[in-house]
Amino acid sequence: DVKVTQSSRYLVKRTGEKVFLECVQDMDHENMFWYRQDPGLGLRLIYFSYDVKMKEKGDIPEGYSVSREKKERFSLILESASTNQTSMYLCASSLSTSGRAGDTQYFGPGTRLTVL
Amino acid sequence: DQQVKQNSPSLSVQEGRISILNCDYTNSMFDYFLWYKKYPAEGPTFLISISSIKDKNEDGRFTVFLNKSAKHLSLHIVPSQPGDSAVYFCAASARKSGGSNYKLTFGKGTLLTVNP
Repeated sequence: DVKVTQSSRYLVKRTGEKVFLECVQDMDHENMFWYRQDPGLGLRLIYFSYDVKMKEKGDIPEGYSVSREKKERFSLILESASTNQTSMYLCASSLSTSGRAGDTQYFGPGTRLTVL
Repeated sequence: DQQVKQNSPSLSVQEGRISILNCDYTNSMFDYFLWYKKYPAEGPTFLISISSIKDKNEDGRFTVFLNKSAKHLSLHIVPSQPGDSAVYFCAASARKSGGSNYKLTFGKGTLLTVNP
């Protein structure tokens, strides 16, 4: 069964702190993604990675960075957390394949981050 | 520019009746479409998908219809159950020539409430 886990379900941090969100998948997927979900705005892509040590900016990368040192792990880093980064953060993964089944992304349970 | 639009933020139906969730897209390069379901404080789960070579795909109580000329798709749930109450996201992808595709473009979601 497909499994994506995120290190924390709920997190409270202070403004200016460096924040690490970890995501691990056990499906040997090449592609991994970080989204944030906010009311009325849907899912917005922050960064994604299609291979180890490879990364690409999504639609809203400002204020974030990522790290992918191993295939199964994709980290989202908030260098200096701000209150407008309070959100639900979702990690997803997908398989690289020539077939369209690879378009399906599988999501973790999410991390609700509050920045005070 | 919103390429995938879910114009109804919410929908309320009676248990046992049909739920119809709608999605419009503007990018003519999209050729694969997915529906996800999301409960509060959980990650989205994949429901059903459809390729542009089809106009209908069915899985149990869930059917997705695609009208390419209108750039419109819909998700039908029959019969609706209280456990179907969730936010439903429509997503689309475009195949990159010569390689895998990585990204999904999501709509903002529709909150479905099924009343007992």
